[in-house]
Amino acid sequence: DTGVSQDPRHKITKRGQNVTFRCDPISEHNRLYWYRQTLGQGPEFLTYFQNEAQLEKSRLLSDRFSAERPKGSFSTLEIQRTEQGDSAMYLCASSRRGGGSEAFFGQGTRLTVV
Amino acid sequence: GQQLNQSPQSMFIQEGEDVSMNCTSSSIFNTWLWYKQEPGEGPVLLIALYKAGELTSNGRLTAQFGITRKDSFLNISASIPSDVGIYFCAGQSGGGADGLTFGKGTHLIIQP
Repeated sequence: DTGVSQDPRHKITKRGQNVTFRCDPISEHNRLYWYRQTLGQGPEFLTYFQNEAQLEKSRLLSDRFSAERPKGSFSTLEIQRTEQGDSAMYLCASSRRGGGSEAFFGQGTRLTVV
Repeated sequence: GQQLNQSPQSMFIQEGEDVSMNCTSSSIFNTWLWYKQEPGEGPVLLIALYKAGELTSNGRLTAQFGITRKDSFLNISASIPSDVGIYFCAGQSGGGADGLTFGKGTHLIIQP
């Protein structure tokens, strides 16, 4: 396992459609994070899982966003009724318990809402 | 909420020059990290700092955790073309059980 994997790398969708992204963390990592990054900004924290439990959600995560990690391995992030303002890079990161704050990021999914 | 002020916003330097960038915060962090991001890719971890006053090196990179726990700097010595990218500082208050707060990045451009 060479790193965090995200799929798809790019997604173009029409406004109002639903989209789902997948993240496969590094295999021995039990912590998983989702971030959103817009042009010219640093990543912004969205939500955090420890194993299958979603322990923290940012106020940025509106009710149109939902994240799951059903078996404590891969995670999905779904955006319902997409809006143009949802266009961004969605980044997944993972870290191991006891590994401090050293989160390793995937390559991201670039979402464009037209 | 917590905010990180990262400076400079961009740097245009000659190959071989040393680079210095820093981050300051309005609140205390327990951990500081530095990442590098290239276009279309996710951030790559460069250095992690866990103790106030800690000075850590990774090759030509050196970073320090400020004694007040509200700031950190990153130095790059003898820059080379592959150093080009956006460098982000990030802070964390907890022990990994909460998200990172990122700065807005320093865009490093190197002229050969």
